Amino acid sequence: ETGVTQTPRHLVMGMTNKKSLKCEQHLGHNAMYWYKQSAKKPLELMFVYSLEERVENNSVPSRFSPECPNSSHLFLHLHTLQPEDSALYLCASSQIGGGDFYGYTFGSGTRLTVV
Amino acid sequence: SQKIEQNSEALNIQEGKTATLTCNYTNYSPAYLQWYRQDPGRGPVFLLLIRENEKEKRKERLKVTFDTTLKQSLFHITASQPADSATYLCALELKAAGNKLTFGGGTRVLVKP
Repeated sequence: ETGVTQTPRHLVMGMTNKKSLKCEQHLGHNAMYWYKQSAKKPLELMFVYSLEERVENNSVPSRFSPECPNSSHLFLHLHTLQPEDSALYLCASSQIGGGDFYGYTFGSGTRLTVV
Repeated sequence: SQKIEQNSEALNIQEGKTATLTCNYTNYSPAYLQWYRQDPGRGPVFLLLIRENEKEKRKERLKVTFDTTLKQSLFHITASQPADSATYLCALELKAAGNKLTFGGGTRVLVKP
């Protein structure tokens, strides 16, 4: 148990479906992140919620929509995805401010396959 | 453009030897450089952080160096064990980026018994 829980672990969805990925952190952190990891590519930052402010990567298509109802929960809503969106989606959290920084804590990820 | 480069070729090493991984970056002014370990199908796990004004950091069998002039970090695993086999990721936090990390592509390490 890493302190960051992601569900589901695996998801197969059609291109016309709507689904949501869920992330919950039990660490009292004040920032949460969505990353995409495709085969043979570095992790790509998609969205950041930091101190209740959302920061986006402008290259993320609008078919991905984040939601952060409170500092412990983060969602990624998916709709009309494309096969190239198939990847491992990773949620992470961290504590900003207050002295030393101890890195990000990642969840185990959701393996998404778009068919 | 900004780049973080790690050797994409796997590093095969004999148990007990020291594995040395390289992370090079261009056009960044990082505040922190971090190293993570990632096992297949899992999220990365934080290992070590080194600040721009630090030259070296150690944690158990791990050692990280940071040369902001060369724009390079070296990551060493001493007395390597088969359990150290994984992909190791380098990540930079930029001074102006407010705690957002940018990752390199990672280097896979395979320690043979």
